[in-house]
Amino acid sequence: NAGVTQTPKFQVLKTGQSMTLQCAQDMNHEYMSWYRQDPGMGLRLIHYSVGAGITDQGEVPNGYNVSRSTTEDFPLRLLSAAPSQTSVYFCASSSRLGGSYNEQFFGPGTRLTVL
Amino acid sequence: RKEVEQDPGPFNVPEGATVAFNCTYSNSASQSFFWYRQDCRKEPKLLMSVYSSGNEDGRFTAQLNRASQYISLLIRDSKLSDSATYLCVVGPGGYQKVTFGTGTKLQVIP
Repeated sequence: NAGVTQTPKFQVLKTGQSMTLQCAQDMNHEYMSWYRQDPGMGLRLIHYSVGAGITDQGEVPNGYNVSRSTTEDFPLRLLSAAPSQTSVYFCASSSRLGGSYNEQFFGPGTRLTVL
Repeated sequence: RKEVEQDPGPFNVPEGATVAFNCTYSNSASQSFFWYRQDCRKEPKLLMSVYSSGNEDGRFTAQLNRASQYISLLIRDSKLSDSATYLCVVGPGGYQKVTFGTGTKLQVIP
């Protein structure tokens, strides 16, 4: 099992460019999510998905799109990069546990700088 | 009121001390609870799950108080290697989102 993988690990963009951060898991987890973490700050939820074909917004969704066409993949698209989106992005996944969710497994993160 | 609240700290404690963190949550229907550890600029990693009856893992003890809607983490005999940020995580009932607290920073001092 590779667990949760994220690509790329580092990325530098210019303002206005678009790109997709990739996230994949091989654990057949139903729940997947994207967080951003700014220096010295906590995790902030961008988008999440409770299963293939189902996505919903977190607390900071503006400027980002997601889709979940398969259980394994949950890409995050930056539509028009802005310096305020400079951050570390983490993807996470978890399985169902009874009526809730089990522990979250995290990818190693993508460090994004927007100039 | 925030869905999950933690004291951000920092907590500066000497080696060997006992330190406790609390985390309150607002959704009484929450069903799963965890403590995570995050080292600087790394991904968060599971420290321990929190069970209704309370649970212990070595120097770490986690407790859940459903009536008052909080979970706690007790660290005994603190080590320098315990220095990190500790995040509480609350899993919803149903198909809502999992919520992370903003984290409590612990610095263990020699």
